[in-house]
Amino acid sequence: DAGITQSPRHKVTETGTPVTLRCHQTENHRYMYWYRQDPGHGLRLIHYSYGVKDTDKGEVSDGYSVSRSKTEDFLLTLESATSSQTSVYFCAIQKGGMGEQYFGPGTRLTVT
Amino acid sequence: GESVGLHLPTLSVQEGDNSIINCAYSNSASDYFIWYKQESGKGPQFIIDIRSNMDKRQGQRVTVLLNKTVKHLSLQIAATQPGDSAVYFCAEKMDTGFQKLVFGTGTRLLVSP
Repeated sequence: DAGITQSPRHKVTETGTPVTLRCHQTENHRYMYWYRQDPGHGLRLIHYSYGVKDTDKGEVSDGYSVSRSKTEDFLLTLESATSSQTSVYFCAIQKGGMGEQYFGPGTRLTVT
Repeated sequence: GESVGLHLPTLSVQEGDNSIINCAYSNSASDYFIWYKQESGKGPQFIIDIRSNMDKRQGQRVTVLLNKTVKHLSLQIAATQPGDSAVYFCAEKMDTGFQKLVFGTGTRLLVSP
């Protein structure tokens, strides 16, 4: 157990609606990440955070924003959901100095 | 979840066999590698890691081999069990200032009793 929870675990939403996914960690690690996982692709980085209020874009950040107002929570927001954002979303934390990441259980998001 | 595995190569083995899963990584500057296991409907689980200054590292029933010459990583699982059935993928970290991993697409391991 990496001490990471994600909520909600499943969500179905309509195109054009805003959606926020939450990642919560219990261990106060500095680095947190949001990924999406789709068939035929490895995990792809959406955004990451290297501290409170310190965030940056990953390789597939278009259409997503993030916020980190406290160490333990990292929020991912889809301002206006599209069908192409149907995916499984994983949050991860980095625990050690080499870069090892540990993942949460995921959120399955369906945009209809 | 299940949808992740639709297009993956599959390795089928019998219980008790040894399994070898391979990964070709992309960047000769990568200095750290991880193998993950992902069961259906769950998040990736850290299995074992290796630094680029090593050729081999052993864990409990698992061994990772690194061949930097050909940019190849392998995961060996001894005495494979049905509970080992999952998708396995590798990740590499480039030697940059930012702690970013690049992930492979994975191999599905199916273990028959």
